[in-house]
Amino acid sequence: ETGVTQSPTHLIKTRGQQVTLRCSSQSGHNTVSWYQQALGQGPQFIFQYYREEENGRGNFPPRFSGLQFPNYSSELNVNALELDDSALYLCASSSDRAGTQYFGPGTRLTVL
Amino acid sequence: AQRVTQPEKLLSVFKGAPVELKCNYSYSGSPELFWYVQYSRQRLQLLLRHISRESIKGFTADLNKGETSFHLKKPFAQEEDSAMYYCALSQAGGTSYGKLTFGQGTILTVHP
Repeated sequence: ETGVTQSPTHLIKTRGQQVTLRCSSQSGHNTVSWYQQALGQGPQFIFQYYREEENGRGNFPPRFSGLQFPNYSSELNVNALELDDSALYLCASSSDRAGTQYFGPGTRLTVL
Repeated sequence: AQRVTQPEKLLSVFKGAPVELKCNYSYSGSPELFWYVQYSRQRLQLLLRHISRESIKGFTADLNKGETSFHLKKPFAQEEDSAMYYCALSQAGGTSYGKLTFGQGTILTVHP
């Protein structure tokens, strides 16, 4: 059984740029959730995708957007990057919307 | 709005001593509570989920709805328990079904 994978591991961008982060869900899972973890904080929910539809969104502006593909992998896109977007971005997959969430290793984004 | 509070950022105990990591929550509905753990250089992983009522690695947690608490306990701490622990809450239904709200985490250090 393959676990949740994320790419890239690290990324450096400058303010105003756009970024795409990728997540491959665990085999058999149809739900992907994205979280932002700032340094010294717990993860904060960005949004969740269930069977290719957005299923709930946290308190993040519209420049944070996502996508889920037919194979249930997912992308997180962030436009007009700001310095405060620097964080670890975590992806988690689950077998359904309320199933146990299995986390990937994260993508460390630095915005300069 | 739902909220999870972990009052201790750092907790140190000696091997063999009892350990209790505190978690308090605020939520108007019927919550589902979790403890996640992150060992050094590893990804976030589920330790236990209150509905399963399991004991994992000797840890237990009881949901106290009167005190809105979900403290994590272990009678005899081991050095390998040293890690970051996060308490998390999920809604059982509604528009943010499956969304996890995390506390800020407690770093547990078990000394030999």
